[in-house]
Amino acid sequence: EDQVTQSPEALRLQEGESSSLNCSYTVSGLRGLFWYRQDPGKGPEFLFTLYSAGEEKEKERLKATLTKKESFLHITAPKPEDSATYLCAVQALNSGGSNYKLTFGKGTLLTVNP
Amino acid sequence: SAVISQKPSRDICQRGTSLTIQCQVDSQVTMMFWYRQQPGQSLTLIATANQGSEATYESGFVIDKFPISRPNLTFSTLTVSNMSPEDSSIYLCSVEQYIGEQFFGPGTRLTVL
Repeated sequence: EDQVTQSPEALRLQEGESSSLNCSYTVSGLRGLFWYRQDPGKGPEFLFTLYSAGEEKEKERLKATLTKKESFLHITAPKPEDSATYLCAVQALNSGGSNYKLTFGKGTLLTVNP
Repeated sequence: SAVISQKPSRDICQRGTSLTIQCQVDSQVTMMFWYRQQPGQSLTLIATANQGSEATYESGFVIDKFPISRPNLTFSTLTVSNMSPEDSSIYLCSVEQYIGEQFFGPGTRLTVL
């Protein structure tokens, strides 16, 4: 069974204090690893897709990296508006082999204080 | 990316009743997905709905409890049947627009008393 573990569960940073979120996974036949941002009361917002080990993607203050066992979401000089829950998901075939499915971690709640 | 809307945005229901949640997309998509997000838990896939075929349910979810319709390429419904307080959750639909990339609706917050 595919598993995704995110750490830490919660992270509190001061504005400008860079840090990283971790997503470790076990999956058979990884098709892609996804990062989403979720604000309270809203659906997840797509951020990045990573397909192979060594791949990196950047968007503003965020950079996602991927190894064979884990992914990191690096946040450089965060601002209060970066406060949200960050979700990691892996995509692989479902148990029946009929469709690809996303398996999500529980997320990291990031709070950036001004 | 696709714009996805859900109705209702929230509801409070009595146990034993059923609620149908609607998901509308502003473009035609082949695959639509229904998820559940319980407090403190990760998003869990309920089923995949392809237009013109029966929905495919994940382990632990059955059609009698969560019947799904997919009448066309822009619309789907999920019904939560014979509800109990354990069904209180946020229900989200999503669509796959590019290979592997799923975009989510705003969710429906359901409370069952």
